[in-house]
Amino acid sequence: SQTIHQWPATLVQPVGSPLSLECTVEGTSNPNLYWYRQAAGRGLQLLFYSVGIGQISSEVPQNLSASRPQDRQFILSSKKLLLSDSGFYLCAWSGDRGQHEAFFGQGTRLTVV
Amino acid sequence: TQLLEQSPQFLSIQEGENLTVYCNSSSVFSSLQWYRQEPGEGPVLLVTVVTGGEVKKLKRLTFQFGDARKDSSLHITAAQPGDTGLYLCAGATGNQFYFGTGTSLTVIP
Repeated sequence: SQTIHQWPATLVQPVGSPLSLECTVEGTSNPNLYWYRQAAGRGLQLLFYSVGIGQISSEVPQNLSASRPQDRQFILSSKKLLLSDSGFYLCAWSGDRGQHEAFFGQGTRLTVV
Repeated sequence: TQLLEQSPQFLSIQEGENLTVYCNSSSVFSSLQWYRQEPGEGPVLLVTVVTGGEVKKLKRLTFQFGDARKDSSLHITAAQPGDTGLYLCAGATGNQFYFGTGTSLTVIP
Protein backbone atom coordinates (compact mmCIF):
# COMPACT_ATOMS: atom_id res chain seq x y z
CA SER A 1 0.00 0.00 0.00
CA GLN A 2 1.04 3.58 -0.57
CA THR A 3 2.07 5.87 2.26
CA ILE A 4 3.17 9.48 2.41
CA HIS A 5 5.46 10.93 5.05
CA GLN A 6 5.87 14.60 5.77
CA TRP A 7 8.11 16.17 8.39
CA PRO A 8 8.53 17.92 10.69
CA ALA A 9 5.03 18.09 12.17
CA THR A 10 5.64 21.48 13.77
CA LEU A 11 8.32 24.10 13.24
CA VAL A 12 9.04 27.49 14.76
CA GLN A 13 11.53 29.57 12.82
CA PRO A 14 12.76 33.18 13.12
CA VAL A 15 12.18 35.68 10.35
CA GLY A 16 15.00 35.58 7.80
CA SER A 17 15.96 31.96 8.50
CA PRO A 18 15.93 29.25 5.81
CA LEU A 19 13.28 26.55 5.49
CA SER A 20 13.28 22.96 4.30
CA LEU A 21 10.21 20.73 4.51
CA GLU A 22 10.46 17.22 3.16
CA CYS A 23 7.87 14.81 1.82
CA THR A 24 8.37 11.24 0.64
CA VAL A 25 6.00 8.70 -0.85
CA GLU A 26 6.31 4.93 -0.61
CA GLY A 27 4.62 2.13 -2.50
CA THR A 28 4.19 3.84 -5.86
CA SER A 29 6.34 5.09 -8.70
CA ASN A 30 6.24 8.32 -10.73
CA PRO A 31 3.58 9.96 -8.58
CA ASN A 32 2.36 13.50 -9.13
CA LEU A 33 3.39 15.51 -6.06
CA TYR A 34 1.91 18.67 -4.59
CA TRP A 35 2.57 21.30 -1.94
CA TYR A 36 -0.42 23.18 -0.52
CA ARG A 37 -0.76 25.86 2.13
CA GLN A 38 -3.85 26.20 4.29
CA ALA A 39 -5.07 29.14 6.34
CA ALA A 40 -6.84 28.19 9.58
CA GLY A 41 -10.16 26.48 8.89
CA ARG A 42 -10.08 27.31 5.22
CA GLY A 43 -9.41 25.73 1.85
CA LEU A 44 -6.05 24.72 0.40
CA GLN A 45 -3.97 26.94 -1.84
CA LEU A 46 -1.90 25.04 -4.40
CA LEU A 47 1.73 26.21 -4.24
CA PHE A 48 3.67 23.77 -6.42
CA TYR A 49 3.11 20.55 -8.27
CA SER A 50 5.45 18.13 -10.02
CA VAL A 51 4.82 15.41 -12.58
CA GLY A 52 8.39 14.08 -12.56
CA ILE A 53 11.96 14.48 -11.33
CA GLY A 54 13.14 18.05 -11.80
CA GLN A 55 9.75 19.17 -13.18
CA ILE A 56 8.19 21.84 -10.97
CA SER A 57 5.21 24.07 -11.72
CA SER A 58 4.46 27.06 -9.54
CA GLU A 59 0.92 28.28 -9.06
CA VAL A 60 1.58 31.55 -7.23
CA PRO A 61 4.59 33.86 -6.98
CA GLN A 62 5.98 33.77 -3.46
CA ASN A 63 8.95 33.49 -1.17
CA LEU A 64 9.06 29.71 -1.53
CA SER A 65 10.53 27.22 -3.97
CA ALA A 66 10.18 23.48 -4.50
CA SER A 67 12.47 20.74 -5.75
CA ARG A 68 12.08 17.10 -6.66
CA PRO A 69 15.54 15.49 -6.49
CA GLN A 70 14.19 11.92 -6.55
CA ASP A 71 11.06 10.29 -7.95
CA ARG A 72 9.28 10.05 -4.60
CA GLN A 73 10.78 13.02 -2.77
CA PHE A 74 9.43 16.56 -2.79
CA ILE A 75 11.03 19.42 -0.88
CA LEU A 76 9.65 22.86 -0.05
CA SER A 77 12.26 25.52 0.67
CA SER A 78 12.84 29.15 1.41
CA LYS A 79 16.08 31.10 1.68
CA LYS A 80 14.64 33.74 4.03
CA LEU A 81 11.33 33.25 5.80
CA LEU A 82 8.80 36.04 6.18
CA LEU A 83 6.14 36.37 8.87
CA SER A 84 3.51 35.83 6.15
CA ASP A 85 4.96 32.37 5.44
CA SER A 86 3.38 31.06 8.65
CA GLY A 87 0.70 28.46 8.01
CA PHE A 88 -0.17 24.81 7.68
CA TYR A 89 1.70 23.13 4.81
CA LEU A 90 0.45 19.94 3.25
CA CYS A 91 2.14 17.55 0.85
CA ALA A 92 0.03 15.28 -1.36
CA TRP A 93 0.44 12.70 -4.10
CA SER A 94 -1.74 11.32 -6.85
CA GLY A 95 -1.24 8.61 -9.45
CA ASP A 96 0.19 9.40 -12.87
CA ARG A 97 -2.45 7.52 -14.84
CA GLY A 98 -5.44 9.81 -14.57
CA GLN A 99 -6.53 8.75 -11.12
CA HIS A 100 -8.74 11.37 -9.60
CA GLU A 101 -7.72 11.23 -5.96
CA ALA A 102 -5.07 13.08 -3.97
CA PHE A 103 -3.68 11.64 -0.75
CA PHE A 104 -2.22 13.86 1.93
CA GLY A 105 0.51 13.79 4.51
CA GLN A 106 -0.09 14.83 8.09
CA GLY A 107 0.97 18.42 7.50
CA THR A 108 3.54 20.80 8.97
CA ARG A 109 2.52 23.69 11.19
CA LEU A 110 5.04 26.47 10.48
CA THR A 111 5.20 29.51 12.73
CA VAL A 112 7.56 32.29 11.75
CA VAL A 113 8.44 34.55 14.69
CA THR B 1 -6.79 29.76 -10.81
CA GLN B 2 -10.09 27.88 -10.74
CA LEU B 3 -12.29 28.94 -7.83
CA LEU B 4 -14.65 26.64 -5.97
CA GLU B 5 -17.00 28.29 -3.50
CA GLN B 6 -18.48 26.28 -0.67
CA SER B 7 -21.54 27.19 1.33
CA PRO B 8 -22.18 27.54 4.12
CA GLN B 9 -18.77 28.45 5.51
CA PHE B 10 -19.79 27.46 9.05
CA LEU B 11 -22.55 25.14 10.20
CA SER B 12 -23.53 24.20 13.76
CA ILE B 13 -26.36 21.73 14.18
CA GLN B 14 -27.84 19.37 16.76
CA GLU B 15 -27.22 15.64 16.63
CA GLY B 16 -29.84 13.92 14.48
CA GLU B 17 -30.43 16.84 12.11
CA ASN B 18 -29.85 16.70 8.35
CA LEU B 19 -27.62 19.11 6.42
CA THR B 20 -26.40 19.90 2.92
CA VAL B 21 -23.12 21.48 1.89
CA TYR B 22 -22.72 23.01 -1.56
CA CYS B 23 -19.67 23.35 -3.79
CA ASN B 24 -20.01 25.63 -6.82
CA SER B 25 -17.73 26.74 -9.63
CA SER B 26 -17.90 28.37 -13.03
CA SER B 27 -15.32 25.86 -14.29
CA VAL B 28 -15.84 22.33 -15.57
CA PHE B 29 -13.87 19.58 -13.86
CA SER B 30 -13.04 16.06 -14.97
CA SER B 31 -13.91 14.85 -11.48
CA LEU B 32 -14.72 16.19 -8.05
CA GLN B 33 -13.63 14.91 -4.65
CA TRP B 34 -14.90 15.47 -1.13
CA TYR B 35 -12.52 15.35 1.84
CA ARG B 36 -12.92 15.66 5.60
CA GLN B 37 -10.18 17.17 7.72
CA GLU B 38 -9.59 17.05 11.46
CA PRO B 39 -7.65 19.88 13.18
CA GLY B 40 -3.89 19.52 12.74
CA GLU B 41 -4.18 16.66 10.24
CA GLY B 42 -4.25 16.26 6.48
CA PRO B 43 -7.54 15.94 4.57
CA VAL B 44 -8.89 12.41 4.15
CA LEU B 45 -10.66 11.44 0.94
CA LEU B 46 -14.34 10.56 1.31
CA VAL B 47 -15.49 10.09 -2.28
CA THR B 48 -14.79 10.86 -5.93
CA VAL B 49 -17.52 11.60 -8.47
CA VAL B 50 -16.68 11.53 -12.16
CA THR B 51 -19.84 11.47 -14.28
CA GLY B 52 -22.21 14.44 -14.57
CA GLY B 53 -25.36 13.72 -12.54
CA GLU B 54 -23.66 10.95 -10.59
CA VAL B 55 -24.89 10.19 -7.07
CA LYS B 56 -22.84 8.23 -4.55
CA LYS B 57 -23.82 7.13 -1.06
CA LEU B 58 -21.45 6.41 1.79
CA LYS B 59 -23.55 5.29 4.78
CA ARG B 60 -25.32 8.50 5.91
CA LEU B 61 -23.50 10.69 3.37
CA THR B 62 -24.87 11.31 -0.13
CA PHE B 63 -22.75 13.03 -2.77
CA GLN B 64 -23.99 14.42 -6.07
CA PHE B 65 -22.09 15.78 -9.07
CA GLY B 66 -23.90 18.40 -11.13
CA ASP B 67 -24.99 17.55 -14.67
CA ALA B 68 -22.55 20.10 -16.10
CA ARG B 69 -19.70 18.90 -13.83
CA LYS B 70 -19.32 22.37 -12.32
CA ASP B 71 -20.88 21.83 -8.91
CA SER B 72 -21.52 19.24 -6.23
CA SER B 73 -23.40 18.73 -2.99
CA LEU B 74 -22.86 16.69 0.15
CA HIS B 75 -25.90 15.70 2.19
CA ILE B 76 -25.60 14.18 5.65
CA THR B 77 -28.58 12.43 7.20
CA ALA B 78 -28.98 12.23 10.97
CA ALA B 79 -25.68 13.95 11.75
CA GLN B 80 -23.57 12.59 14.60
CA PRO B 81 -20.84 14.27 16.69
CA GLY B 82 -18.28 12.16 14.83
CA ASP B 83 -19.20 14.02 11.63
CA THR B 84 -17.66 17.20 13.08
CA GLY B 85 -14.81 18.53 10.95
CA LEU B 86 -13.82 20.65 7.97
CA TYR B 87 -15.35 19.45 4.70
CA LEU B 88 -13.51 20.32 1.51
CA CYS B 89 -14.46 19.80 -2.10
CA ALA B 90 -11.79 19.65 -4.78
CA GLY B 91 -12.04 19.76 -8.55
CA ALA B 92 -9.55 17.88 -10.69
CA THR B 93 -8.33 19.22 -14.02
CA GLY B 94 -5.43 17.49 -15.69
CA ASN B 95 -2.79 16.94 -13.02
CA GLN B 96 -4.10 19.61 -10.67
CA PHE B 97 -6.56 19.65 -7.79
CA TYR B 98 -8.26 22.92 -6.86
CA PHE B 99 -9.82 23.05 -3.43
CA GLY B 100 -12.97 24.76 -2.23
CA THR B 101 -13.14 27.37 0.51
CA GLY B 102 -14.20 24.78 3.12
CA THR B 103 -17.23 24.18 5.36
CA SER B 104 -16.64 23.83 9.08
CA LEU B 105 -19.29 21.53 10.58
CA THR B 106 -19.97 21.17 14.29
CA VAL B 107 -22.48 18.58 15.47
CA ILE B 108 -23.63 19.21 19.02
CA PRO B 109 -24.53 16.12 21.10
